[in-house]
Amino acid sequence: GDSVTQMEGPVTLSEEAFLTINCTYTATGYPSLFWYVQYPGEGLQLLLKATKADDKGSNKGFEATYRKETTSFHLEKGSVQVSDSAVYFCALSDDGNKLVFGAGTILRVKS
Amino acid sequence: DAGITQSPRHKVTETGTPVTLRCHQTENHRYMYWYRQDPGHGLRLIHYSYGVKDTDKGEVSDGYSVSRSKTEDFLLTLESATSSQTSVYFCAIRQATGELFFGEGSRLTVL
Repeated sequence: GDSVTQMEGPVTLSEEAFLTINCTYTATGYPSLFWYVQYPGEGLQLLLKATKADDKGSNKGFEATYRKETTSFHLEKGSVQVSDSAVYFCALSDDGNKLVFGAGTILRVKS
Repeated sequence: DAGITQSPRHKVTETGTPVTLRCHQTENHRYMYWYRQDPGHGLRLIHYSYGVKDTDKGEVSDGYSVSRSKTEDFLLTLESATSSQTSVYFCAIRQATGELFFGEGSRLTVL
């Protein structure tokens, strides 16, 4: 079945550092790929998405490129802020109706 | 943005008791979902609905049932709660853009 694997956390960075959170997937078809973010005590919010190979999703300084050849969708940000501290989830949808999530990666940014 | 209200937001109960969680949406979105969130597992789909009285199982449906008698309400029932069902439960709706929008979660503790 479909699955998503994320790098384990927590990831601890200093403010203004470069962020990469790795995400790889296994799917039978050509899924859409997503990054969701969960701030403390809140539900998940969509951060960005990509629906086909080589698409780049971007939002709030975060970017991720759909790489079909490596089945990856790594999340990057050039300069993190304390306010980016949250849990980040990579997810895929193969049928357009259901999302399969990775385990989540905790990001902690120190000032 | 879609509006989702989950109730109760927090509940403590004892093993063997029935529990019902409610998800209410303010718009007429066809698809609604129940996920559970556990450390190390991310979010896992319990059940989802694609219309009134139309539901289907997700990957962790054992011990749970759902009902959808009105478009706006999607109920999740634990017939006899067990400690393994201690979790945070999230309801979501699928928006017209295809993305999922999540509620704020219901934290359930089974003693």
